[in-house]
Amino acid sequence: QKEVEQDPGPLSVPEGAIVSLNCTYSNSAFQYFMWYRQYSRKGPELLMYTYSSGNKEDGRFTAQVDKSSKYISLFIRDSQPSDSATYLCAMGLRGSARQLTFGSGTQLTVLP
Amino acid sequence: GAVVSQHPSRVICKSGTSVKIECRSLDFQATTMFWYRQFPKQSLMLMATSNEGSKATYEQGVEKDKFLINHASLTLSTLTVTSAHPEDSSFYICSARGQDSGKLFFGSGTQLSVL
Repeated sequence: QKEVEQDPGPLSVPEGAIVSLNCTYSNSAFQYFMWYRQYSRKGPELLMYTYSSGNKEDGRFTAQVDKSSKYISLFIRDSQPSDSATYLCAMGLRGSARQLTFGSGTQLTVLP
Repeated sequence: GAVVSQHPSRVICKSGTSVKIECRSLDFQATTMFWYRQFPKQSLMLMATSNEGSKATYEQGVEKDKFLINHASLTLSTLTVTSAHPEDSSFYICSARGQDSGKLFFGSGTQLSVL
């Protein structure tokens, strides 16, 4: 079993839809959680960072963490064609020099 | 957010030559940098972890003599692909992690094509 599971998609939605992206994890020691967006042939861009259970909002993006269920989500409201990209969840251990553990990424296409 | 600069963005070289890729943290000191390889439509594959002033730690299956990593300062790490072959053609990405942050910031990637 992978430490982090993420549905690879692909996921296609119409413009304006609410998008829900999810990851589950098995290591209860993970303490902080991130979502990255990666456009084709570009490096991943950090979208959201959180280290506690609950919701964190930033513009059209909301990150949700449920540590008891080992489940994290990223919601995108009013999705735009420019949101079309691959979204990667990532998690890590505070104070650890090790790299993050990544999900496999979900490919999202927002249709105009 | 923090900025990680990676150069070149694209390189085409002949088989047998060596290629150097640079990764710089522009506005923070990066004690740890990571190098990844990514194939089309696949996730990041960690190649090695680079700590400033010490030898890199390579992941299983990654040839350390082929992929030379140098992390000579807190803002610069380099990856040299030695004696490149067509099978080394790939998208290479670096990332940097600050001294007191769990956040990881990525470079823009380098597309290597070996003819």
